[in-house]
Formats: sequence, C-alpha cells, structure tokens
Amino acid sequence: DQQVKQNSPSLSVQEGRISILNCDYTNSMFDYFLWYKKYPAEGPTFLISISSIKDKNEDGRFTVFLNKSAKHLSLHIVPSQPGDSAVYFCAATSYDKVIFGPGTSLSVIP
Amino acid sequence: GAVVSQHPSWVICKSGTSVKIECRSLDFQATTMFWYRQFPKQSLMLMATSNEGSKATYEQGVEKDKFLINHASLTLSTLTVTSAHPEDSSFYICSARSGPSNQPQHFGDGTRLSIL
Repeated sequence: DQQVKQNSPSLSVQEGRISILNCDYTNSMFDYFLWYKKYPAEGPTFLISISSIKDKNEDGRFTVFLNKSAKHLSLHIVPSQPGDSAVYFCAATSYDKVIFGPGTSLSVIP
Repeated sequence: GAVVSQHPSWVICKSGTSVKIECRSLDFQATTMFWYRQFPKQSLMLMATSNEGSKATYEQGVEKDKFLINHASLTLSTLTVTSAHPEDSSFYICSARSGPSNQPQHFGDGTRLSIL
C-alpha cells in the first residue's frame, strides 16, 4: 500500500508558465514533507521542505503548499524553466523513516 | 556543501561474485546513512538504515545476509551485494543525513549494477 502517492507520472509545461506537481499521502503521522529533484544518472537533490504545522513554504521560484485535512501537498514552480525538466519526488517523514512517492517527470518546453 | 560521493558509478560482473559499493559524506558527518534500490520507472525503495557504529536496520523483505551494510565511521558506509545474481541488477543509491528526520537526506549519484 503506497503511503505517498504522485498520481501524475508525467507533466508537460510551457516555459514561463507555472508547473504544479501534486502529492497525496495516507499516514496522518507524517511530520515533515520534502521535495527532491532528480536528473537522469544522478542522485536526487533536495529542493524544499515543509513542516506539518505549516501550510506554505516558499524559496525563490519554488513554493510548497500543504493541506493537512486533505492529506495533500503540491509544489509550484513559477516561472518554469527548461532546466527544471527532471523527475520530482515527494517524500514524507515519520520518526526516522522517509517514504518516497513514485515521482513525476516534468518536461518544460522552450 | 553536503556532498555525498558514491563509488563505483557502474559495475558489471559475473553471477556469483560479490560487489562492494561505497558511500562517503565528503564535507559533513553523517549520523545516519540510507541505502535505496530503484527499479526502472519506480520510486526509491528503502533497503536499510544505518547509524554509525551500530547494526543496520533492514526493511521487510530485504535479506540481511545478501546485502551486507557496514557503517564504520561518520563519513563512510558500504553495501556489499554477496553472491550477486542477475535479479540483483538494479540502481542502488545511498544517502546521508546529519541530524534528525526533518533534516534532508543528501544523495550520492547511484551505482548501476549489472550482473551477467
């Protein structure tokens, strides 16, 4: 049973527009959520995180929104750039365990 | 900062041999290191978690005797795939973290293991 879900395996967005990547989770005990970005043949790199006591965290072009009641979070990238094309993993932590979602492949079209 | 080096990046070997993969945190002390396996078009699957100086905690379904993990220092963890078989072919990624679980993990670039 997947505790962290990313229901869109892929997403295409025009350069300059907003990219919205979604993530749903089932475990209400998760206390931190993180987004990682992964290029082919490289390890994931940390992008942004949010505590379960907050509903928004912003870092430059990246904003993560958390809706605890809906057990849903989203990553907004605006404006999207071709270099943002990568696989994005949503992850959630509970105690010492980190659970990753299956990832969403984002393509930003010039 | 927060660089994790994983070596080798790619290895091909015959069935029955053992393969060792190293994971080093280059500029920080990693209190916890993680080993993941990734199948094509699937997410990272946690294999085990190790804290420096103690035995690794393996996830359900991961054979301890097959995947030997050593975390001898705060900057080095190794994964040894013993008597590897073709079904062990996969992409293995390590990560390291300094501090509690709300701190991000920093990942190596992974090792592509192919067993012939």
